Amino acid sequence: NAGVTQTPKFRILKIGQSMTLQCTQDMNHNYMYWYRQDPGMGLKLIYYSVGAGITDKGEVPNGYNVSRSTTEDFPLRLELAAPSQTSVYFCASSYEESGELFFGEGSRLTVL
Amino acid sequence: GQNIDQPTEMTATEGAIVQINCTYQTSGFNGLFWYQQHAGEAPTFLSYNVLDGLEEKGRFSSFLSRSKGYSYLLLKELQMKDSASYLCALSGGYQKVTFGTGTKLQVIP
Repeated sequence: NAGVTQTPKFRILKIGQSMTLQCTQDMNHNYMYWYRQDPGMGLKLIYYSVGAGITDKGEVPNGYNVSRSTTEDFPLRLELAAPSQTSVYFCASSYEESGELFFGEGSRLTVL
Repeated sequence: GQNIDQPTEMTATEGAIVQINCTYQTSGFNGLFWYQQHAGEAPTFLSYNVLDGLEEKGRFSSFLSRSKGYSYLLLKELQMKDSASYLCALSGGYQKVTFGTGTKLQVIP
């Protein structure tokens, strides 16, 4: 049972480049989330999904896009990367809405 | 909205007891989580309080008072491996789960 798997673990981007962070879970959870974590700032919700085909914005969605074509996968797309998007990104899933979160190992992104 | 306050850092001695406080302001919530996060790793679930009172789980206990807008995490018989950040989080509302900035605990010999 792998839980929540994120790739890549590390990535360096140049300003203006685009990339996709992959997230997949094998627990059949309907709820999935993307958070970013900056030093001293706590975890901030970027986007979330309550099921396949349904996504909604969180607290800090600007500069990001998501899709949820299957229950398992919830990729996060960065368009036109900016230095402000340098952060650690965590994907998470839960069985219930606002329930216990199961996190992936995180993706450390640096934009130079 | 929701606002959560925790001390930024704490230091405690191996074998001792430490209490990490969390105060919050919110218009409503389902329950309060505590997560542990070791440096460079993902957060992991510790506890979830829905009702007022103390929930005990081994060396860790968590307390909630809804009327006071207050929670704490109590760690007993501290071990070096307990050095980590402890995140208080509110469940429910538009942001689903809202996290505080976390308390970095350093356990010293």
